[in-house]
Amino acid sequence: DTEVTQTPKHLVMGMTNKKSLKCEQHMGHRAMYWYKQKAKKPPELMFVYSYEKLSINESVPSRFSPECPNSSLLNLHLHALQPEDSALYLCASSQEGTGNYEQYFGPGTRLTVT
Amino acid sequence: AQSVTQPDIHITVSEGASLELRCNYSYGATPYLFWYVQSPGQGLQLLLKYFSGDTLVQGIKGFEAEFKRSQSSFNLRKPSVHWSDAAEYFCAVGAHFSNFNKFYFGSGTKLNVKP
Repeated sequence: DTEVTQTPKHLVMGMTNKKSLKCEQHMGHRAMYWYKQKAKKPPELMFVYSYEKLSINESVPSRFSPECPNSSLLNLHLHALQPEDSALYLCASSQEGTGNYEQYFGPGTRLTVT
Repeated sequence: AQSVTQPDIHITVSEGASLELRCNYSYGATPYLFWYVQSPGQGLQLLLKYFSGDTLVQGIKGFEAEFKRSQSSFNLRKPSVHWSDAAEYFCAVGAHFSNFNKFYFGSGTKLNVKP
């Protein structure tokens, strides 16, 4: 199984709402990533988890809160978002180690903040 | 500093014609290089990767890429384009950390295919 799944596929939320995005993989990967992608732009790295510990936070606003409860699951908790946070949110995973390991991407969650 | 440049924002080719998408990178060590493809509203799919060995690498869907260290390039090619190849293509270099690679993406090249 080489699949990364993300739920939900689409999410519309108001600026006062709290919601969560979910990402799951069963490839035994120990590195997981959150990216934000605006239209016609490349993915921008937000967070990296390695062995369930946060390794990189790319100065992301605190209204985005990541969580890695176990090695297969990655969440992104959203609170008090702004309309400019509307984007495609991509999750990815990769094998551990300093190798030539590609990242496997999920299909993304299309988020609209109203 | 690591960076990736894709000089062509848009490319249009006729179906059946050959294709070359350009990618130049800047990286201090031996690079791990990747090409991904993204259809509208979808995630990224790996086409091919290079880390060592033969500088001409074969990928899925008939794509290949050639690593040229002297030119810091990793251009993607396909001899005959199909309409289904229309998509956004991203080149990336992976920077090594202790247990993962941090990707630096190029800005992407959008491929249109004329019938």
